[in-house]
Amino acid sequence: EAQVTQNPRYLITVTGKKLTVTCSQNMNHEYMSWYRQDPGLGLRQIYYSMNVEVTDKGDVPEGYKVSRKEKRNFPLILESPSPNQTSLYFCASISLAGLGTDTQYFGPGTRLTVL
Amino acid sequence: DQQVKQNSPSLSVQEGRISILNCDYTNSMFDYFLWYKKYPAEGPTFLISISSIKDKNEDGRFTVFLNKSAKHLSLHIVPSQPGDSAVYFCAASVDGTASKLTFGTGTRLQVTL
Repeated sequence: EAQVTQNPRYLITVTGKKLTVTCSQNMNHEYMSWYRQDPGLGLRQIYYSMNVEVTDKGDVPEGYKVSRKEKRNFPLILESPSPNQTSLYFCASISLAGLGTDTQYFGPGTRLTVL
Repeated sequence: DQQVKQNSPSLSVQEGRISILNCDYTNSMFDYFLWYKKYPAEGPTFLISISSIKDKNEDGRFTVFLNKSAKHLSLHIVPSQPGDSAVYFCAASVDGTASKLTFGTGTRLQVTL
């Protein structure tokens, strides 16, 4: 079954304690992406990756890092989390099928609370 | 600056009737548009898309209309079913792909019996 998995699903942490949210896809997609969802703001892109070792900033990259050492995994790293990073995070794997059929497949989400 | 806007935070429709969800955008460079549905505690799932070279795309009960001159797109669901109750997001991109999407804020649809 084609899927995107994220771990953990829920996390409560304290300011400044480094954390990593993992993301893995089994569809052999080259593109992957991270979003955060906040009330009244929709989903905003944090970082995206076009292929292994190739990443770029999205619309709200401040305070986040990513890495793409292998195609299937795209972890999101918060080196020093702050309360304004409390949010719902989604990882996505992107099918670039072309001809107007591209789409993004989303993971189930990680709800992060930073105290 | 919200480039993709969904001005109706919520919509309630009776089962069997048509649901119309609207989306407006400001960036004339957007050339690919998608609709996603999201249930609580799940990630968004793809529903339907449309390229800017078209003005309509259908998939079963779902039809998306694009009016480029008005920078407006809409999603029609006919007939609406209780299982359609969810939050719907429209999204857009400037390069014809789904690699970098700008999302709207979402519309919560409730289909009542």
